[in-house]
Amino acid sequence: SQQGEEDPQALSIQEGENATMNCSYKTSINNLQWYRQNSGRGLVHLILIRSNEREKHSGRLRVTLDTSKKSSSLLITASRAADTASYFCATDHLTFGKGTMLLVSP
Amino acid sequence: GAVVSQHPSWVICKSGTSVKIECRSLDFQATTMFWYRQFPKQSLMLMATSNEGSKATYEQGVEKDKFLINHASLTLSTLTVTSAHPEDSSFYICSARTGTDQETQYFGPGTRLLVL
Repeated sequence: SQQGEEDPQALSIQEGENATMNCSYKTSINNLQWYRQNSGRGLVHLILIRSNEREKHSGRLRVTLDTSKKSSSLLITASRAADTASYFCATDHLTFGKGTMLLVSP
Repeated sequence: GAVVSQHPSWVICKSGTSVKIECRSLDFQATTMFWYRQFPKQSLMLMATSNEGSKATYEQGVEKDKFLINHASLTLSTLTVTSAHPEDSSFYICSARTGTDQETQYFGPGTRLLVL
C-alpha cells in the first residue's frame, strides 16, 4: 500500500502568503520527512520529524505530526517565488507520496 | 557536507543497449544506497536498497536481472539498465545514508534516461 499521500496535488499562491501541504500515511512510523524537488532535479531534504514529536520548526518551515490521525502538515510561511517546487513527504519505510506542486507567483 | 553526485546527468541510448548510472557519495561513506525511479509528475518509487559489499534488495516487481546494482565501495553504487527499452525511459535518482545517521537520505541530482 502506498504511504505518504499529499494533498493538495497542486497549490498556487502569491508571494508573501503561507502555503500548507498535508500528508497522510497508513502504517505506524518512526519518523516522517519532507523533501522538495525542483523540476527535473534531485530531492532536497527539508525536515525530519520523529514519531514522538508533534511540531518542528526550521526557518520558514513548520511541520506538524499527528500520529493518531497518521497525518503531517508542512507550512511554508511568507512564501517566495523561489519556493516554487514539488514537495514530498516520505516515511521511514522509504515510500513517497505523489507530492504537492507549489507555484508561488511574484 | 553530505553531497551525492550522479553520472551521467542524462543519457540517450538505442533500444537494446545497456546503460550504467553511477551514484557517488562525495564527502561521506555511504553504508546504504537507494535507487529510485520517477516518471513525469509522479512520485519516486523505490527500486532497490544496496548495502556495501552485499547483494541489493529489490522491491517487489523490480526485475533484478534487468536492473543490476553494484555497491562495490562505501562511496560508489552503480545501476545498470540492461537491454534498455523505451518503457525504461525515466528519471533515476539515487540516495545515500551515512553510517551514523540512519534517518536522513541524501539524494543525488538524478539521471534522465531516454531510450529510443
